[in-house]
Amino acid sequence: SQQGEEDPQALSIQEGENATMNCSYKTSINNLQWYRQNSGRGLVHLILIRSNEREKHSGRLRVTLDTSKKSSSLLITASRAADTASYFCASSRGDDKIIFGKGTRLHILP
Amino acid sequence: GAVVSQHPSWVICKSGTSVKIECRSLDFQATTMFWYRQFPKQSLMLMATSNEGSKATYEQGVEKDKFLINHASLTLSTLTVTSAHPEDSSFYICSASARFNEKLFFGSGTQLSVL
Repeated sequence: SQQGEEDPQALSIQEGENATMNCSYKTSINNLQWYRQNSGRGLVHLILIRSNEREKHSGRLRVTLDTSKKSSSLLITASRAADTASYFCASSRGDDKIIFGKGTRLHILP
Repeated sequence: GAVVSQHPSWVICKSGTSVKIECRSLDFQATTMFWYRQFPKQSLMLMATSNEGSKATYEQGVEKDKFLINHASLTLSTLTVTSAHPEDSSFYICSASARFNEKLFFGSGTQLSVL
C-alpha cells in the first residue's frame, strides 16, 4: 500500500494546549497537504507545503516537511474545542493521484 | 473558496437496487474528479479518478462494472453503485481540483446504507 501513516492515531489534549500530529509517506513527492474532517462530513483543505519548502504557517497551524525522512508534522497551537476532528495528510507525487494517510483523531477536552 | 456539491447526503436502499451519487463543482471547472470510499474511523480509499469526456481510471480491486462513473461535463461527475449489497454500505466522498495536483475541494459525502 502507498498509504502514508499518521501518528498518533488518536490524541486527546486540554483546550489551550498545542497538538502535534506526524505523517510519514513512502514515495518522493511534489507536495504534501493536510486536511481536516469533521465527523460524517467531507474534508477541508488546511495547508499545502511543496517539496522544496521546509516550513509553512497559516494562522494557528504550522507545518514542517522533511523530505529526507519522508515525514511531515502539523502543529495546532492554542487548541480550541472546535479543533476536534480527524486530520489527514495527503501526498502528491506529481501524477494524478493524491494519497491520504490513515489520519489522526484529535479530541480537545474542555 | 471553491465549492463542491454532493448529493444525496444519505441514502437507504434495498439490496439489489442501484444508487446514483452526484458530484458537482459549483464555481469552477473540474477536468478531474476523484471518488473515495471511507469506512468508520478509517482513511479515504481512492476508488477511481474521473476524467471529463473519457473513461474513468479505477484503482486496483475496484470493480468498474459495480461502480459506474460518468463525467459528462466539466462540472458534474456521477457514481452509480449497481446492484448494491450490504457490503457496499459506506461513506462515499467526491473531490475535485481546479488545478492539476493542487488542493482538492471535497463534497460533503454520501452515507449509503444497503438493507
